[in-house]
Amino acid sequence: DIVMTQGALPNPVPSGESASITCQSSKSLLHSNGKTYLNWYLQRPGQSPQLLIYWMSTRASGVSDRFSGSGSGTDFTLKISSVEAEDVGVYYCQQFLEYPFTFGSGTKLEIK
Amino acid sequence: QVQLTESGPGLVHPSETLSLTCTVSGFSLTGYSVYWVRQPSGKGLEWMGRMRYNGDTSYNSALKSRLSISRDTSKNQVFLKMNSLQTDDTGTYYCTRDGFAYWGQGTLVTVSS
Repeated sequence: DIVMTQGALPNPVPSGESASITCQSSKSLLHSNGKTYLNWYLQRPGQSPQLLIYWMSTRASGVSDRFSGSGSGTDFTLKISSVEAEDVGVYYCQQFLEYPFTFGSGTKLEIK
Repeated sequence: QVQLTESGPGLVHPSETLSLTCTVSGFSLTGYSVYWVRQPSGKGLEWMGRMRYNGDTSYNSALKSRLSISRDTSKNQVFLKMNSLQTDDTGTYYCTRDGFAYWGQGTLVTVSS
């Protein structure tokens, strides 16, 4: 199985500051079709996961442009510019290149 | 409008079988795959398996011996059955559509005697 490893945040993050969450995969997620099979989600307390970014860098419908995704085949970053109170929750990366579609362990964001 | 709704027993006794239903609307099960994802209480997300749009299934190898996913396209329902439940199977179980933009609200399953 592909292992997804996420980094931690220096919580709490001051409101208005930027935050970057890292994710590393044990295998390249770059397909021969040129697409990178990585998603980012936010799970707010008590809610279902919400898709933020797919194909590593494409924002999902309705997602604020404060969220951006970047990376290579194995190292990825989700950047949140100017964090707000509504950004609080746990962020997950997920690979969907191979079954099982494994998730990272999650990165918690707290706001000051 | 795409919707997915999980339903199930809430409480299951150890060693018994869990049966969950994901009822979908706003799309066809013959056009989109549906996945099951679970979240042990206070922990992260675990991909369990998939019902493909053509009826094929895939399972997480860690659960494969206990897990079965099926569907009834006439009722717009996908089913999950998992046997030999233990206390560490306690958590919230979600179904989600291919693309992962649409998720159900989740159903909490507690395994306890």
